Amino acid sequence: DGGITQSPKYLFRKEGQNVTLSCEQNLNHDAMYWYRQDPGQGLRLIYYSQIVNDFQKGDIAEGYSVSREKKESFPLTVTSAQKNPTAFYLCASGSYYEQYFGPGTRLTVT
Amino acid sequence: AQKVTQAQTEISVVEKEDVTLDCVYETRDTTYYLFWYKQPPSGELVFLIRRNSFDEQNEISGRYSWNFQKSTSSFNFTITASQVVDSAVYFCALSEARDDKIIFGKGTRLHILP
Repeated sequence: DGGITQSPKYLFRKEGQNVTLSCEQNLNHDAMYWYRQDPGQGLRLIYYSQIVNDFQKGDIAEGYSVSREKKESFPLTVTSAQKNPTAFYLCASGSYYEQYFGPGTRLTVT
Repeated sequence: AQKVTQAQTEISVVEKEDVTLDCVYETRDTTYYLFWYKQPPSGELVFLIRRNSFDEQNEISGRYSWNFQKSTSSFNFTITASQVVDSAVYFCALSEARDDKIIFGKGTRLHILP
């Protein structure tokens, strides 16, 4: 089945720890995206990558880092510098014309 | 700059009523795309429709219909004879052909009461 997988669905971490969220796609899309969703805030773009080994900051990149070593994979690291990391994180692939979303990872940092 | 405004943060209607979700957008491009996505309680975003800026025809898909008006920069979404399963958060979004990303509104949470 073609699609986007994100794991895990729920993630718990202690404050001060870095945590990496996984995103894999088998849709053969060049571009991949990471969004953050907070209640009442909609989806805000963190980072996106249009090709392997290249990525651009979105609107709220501070405290996050990404890598794109393979076309299929676009992991997001939430660093200890992110002041409010608790949120729902959505990964997508596609383009400005259409985007397909994964099921999301709900990160809770205490 | 691109912007999408969904002024209705939350709407509640009784089942079988019609409901319209408003979306107003801003863009300086002449070529752009508008979208509606549905986010059920499970969290995954479900694509509903895409419209390009050159096609102002209204679209109907079952109980769903969309009204695109460039004159008012609006792309409204109507659910006819609403059902409890329509309860979700609905997002309107915009992309410009020159920019490889989609900008989302803040969403409208829709409650359909039995």
